[in-house]
Amino acid sequence: EAGVVQSPRYKIIEKKQPVAFWCNPISGHNTLYWYRQNLGQGPELLIRYENEEAVDDSQLPKDRFSAERLKGVDSTLKIQPAELGDSAVYLCASSPDRGQDTQYFGPGTRLTVL
Amino acid sequence: AQSVTQLGSHVSVSEGALVLLRCNYSSSVPPYLFWYVQYPNQGLQLLLKYTTGATLVKGINGFEAEFKKSETSFHLTKPSAHMSDAAEYFCAVSVSSSYKLIFGSGTRLLVRP
Repeated sequence: EAGVVQSPRYKIIEKKQPVAFWCNPISGHNTLYWYRQNLGQGPELLIRYENEEAVDDSQLPKDRFSAERLKGVDSTLKIQPAELGDSAVYLCASSPDRGQDTQYFGPGTRLTVL
Repeated sequence: AQSVTQLGSHVSVSEGALVLLRCNYSSSVPPYLFWYVQYPNQGLQLLLKYTTGATLVKGINGFEAEFKKSETSFHLTKPSAHMSDAAEYFCAVSVSSSYKLIFGSGTRLLVRP
């Protein structure tokens, strides 16, 4: 079984530029999560999807961040414009259903904003 | 609100020695507790989890953890460290009303030959 796939793995951009991250969850997993992990810290949830519906986006900075999950499968997280403080690892995770199912994490995208 | 505190950002042990990584949580309702491991440039992998039932939980790679409600702790142990255990370990908590994992800040385990 293929795991959670994320791309790109690394991205370097200048501040004020846009950037997008892509996630393909494990097949059949209805719940998808985006987390941000700052250096030396644990991941923090940005947004959670149940199928194509964003059911928890309370931690997503909506002035510059947006996300979508078309057809309830792949998801894209976008930042526009990026700021220096956005440098972090962006992790995508998925689980079979809501509840206390295990969350399976992808390898993440390491973003560096110069 | 839930929170997690991991004591010690770095823990160093000799190969073959006992591994003990500490985690204390705060939750107003019965928590679900998790330990994840992160190897360099990789995502997080679940080691073990406690939801209900037996308080001693066994996970992969010889790790186990014990849920102690009276101490609000969920410490991770392994009897004998191996070089391949060197990684970052994260404790996390969630509750049944929320599907969000709240992570601690992590403990980096170093294993000396």
